[in-house]
Amino acid sequence: EAQVTQNPRYLITVTGKKLTVTCSQNMNHEYMSWYRQDPGLGLRQIYYSMNVEVTDKGDVPEGYKVSRKEKRNFPLILESPSPNQTSLYFCASSLTGGNANVLTFGAGSRLTVL
Amino acid sequence: AQKITQTQPGMFVQEKEAVTLDCTYDTSDPSYGLFWYKQPSSGEMIFLIYQGSYDQQNATEGRYSLNFQKARKSANLVISASQLGDSAMYFCAMRTSGNQFYFGTGTSLTVIP
Repeated sequence: EAQVTQNPRYLITVTGKKLTVTCSQNMNHEYMSWYRQDPGLGLRQIYYSMNVEVTDKGDVPEGYKVSRKEKRNFPLILESPSPNQTSLYFCASSLTGGNANVLTFGAGSRLTVL
Repeated sequence: AQKITQTQPGMFVQEKEAVTLDCTYDTSDPSYGLFWYKQPSSGEMIFLIYQGSYDQQNATEGRYSLNFQKARKSANLVISASQLGDSAMYFCAMRTSGNQFYFGTGTSLTVIP
């Protein structure tokens, strides 16, 4: 089944404890991206990647890192999480080559930082 | 500045009636794509419909249609014959030629039996 898989789905952590949210897709998509969803703010793009070793900042990259060492994986790293990073996070992927390429989303990862 | 605006935080519609969810966008990019996604209470993001900036005709997908008015920079979603399962949050989104995505704040739709 074509899908984007995120782990963990739920995580409670404490301020300053480094964490990584993994994202993997099995559709051979070049484009991968991360979003955070907060009430009243919709989804905001954190980082995106057009292909292996190519990453770019989205609208809200502060406090996050990403890497794209393999085409299928795009982990989101929070080096020193803070309570304002408590949010619902989505990973998504698509083909590139045109604006028509639809994002396929993962199921979401709910992160709470105490 | 690139932006998507959804001005209706919540909408109600009677079952079997049609409903329009508003979306306006702002971009100076001549090439862009507009999308609508549905997020049910279970949380997943479901793609509904796409409209390209150069498309001459409004997109349709089953009961969903996109009312694209380029000069007004609007891309409203029309859902015909509403069903109880249509109750969800709906997000309008824009993909720029630079491959950034912008989402609106969403509209919560409730279908009343």
